[in-house]
Amino acid sequence: GNSVTQMEGPVTLSEEAFLTINCTYTATGYPSLFWYVQYPGEGLQLLLKATKADDKGSNKGFEATYRKETTSFHLEKGSVQVSDSAVYFCALWNTNAGKSTFGDGTTLTVKP
Amino acid sequence: EAGVTQSPTHLIKTRGQQATLRCSPISGHTSVYWYQQALGLGLQFLLWYDEGEERNRGNFPPRFSGRQFPNYSSELNVNALELEDSALYLCASKITLRGEQPQHFGDGTRLSIL
Repeated sequence: GNSVTQMEGPVTLSEEAFLTINCTYTATGYPSLFWYVQYPGEGLQLLLKATKADDKGSNKGFEATYRKETTSFHLEKGSVQVSDSAVYFCALWNTNAGKSTFGDGTTLTVKP
Repeated sequence: EAGVTQSPTHLIKTRGQQATLRCSPISGHTSVYWYQQALGLGLQFLLWYDEGEERNRGNFPPRFSGRQFPNYSSELNVNALELEDSALYLCASKITLRGEQPQHFGDGTRLSIL
């Protein structure tokens, strides 16, 4: 079956530090990959996505590259801000099954 | 454009009771997805409705059920509530039967079982 494994949190960084949140997956076929962000007290928001191997998704300074050879989709940002403090979820979408699989989420806290 | 709306925001029940959670998708969206976000367990896929039919369900017992109405809104029903059902329940919607992961989520209903 499908599974998503995320780097365990919580992650605490200082403002302007470099961020990496690791995500690896197992899946049948060719899933699409996503990162979602959940700010305190809110629902999930799509952050970025990649639909095929070697695609790079980017948004708000965050980037992730779909690496089929390593089955990974690591989230990166060059310089984090306090406002980036949130829970980040990696997810895959299996089109044939119409089913999503999410990682457990990684809590990021950025301190000024 | 109004986003995905869920009600109620919070719901407090006791063991053995029944809970009904509601979701209104974005206008024009025909698919509704339900997820459970339990503490320490991440986000788990529950149910997927499209055009009024259940298309897929996650690994949850039958006491988790739902339906989709002709206006594409949806209800999630949880019978015989257990303590471990305490979680945030998220609803998401999208426009097509096939295609990508739903990208529009509601703010969720926090269900607490006492």
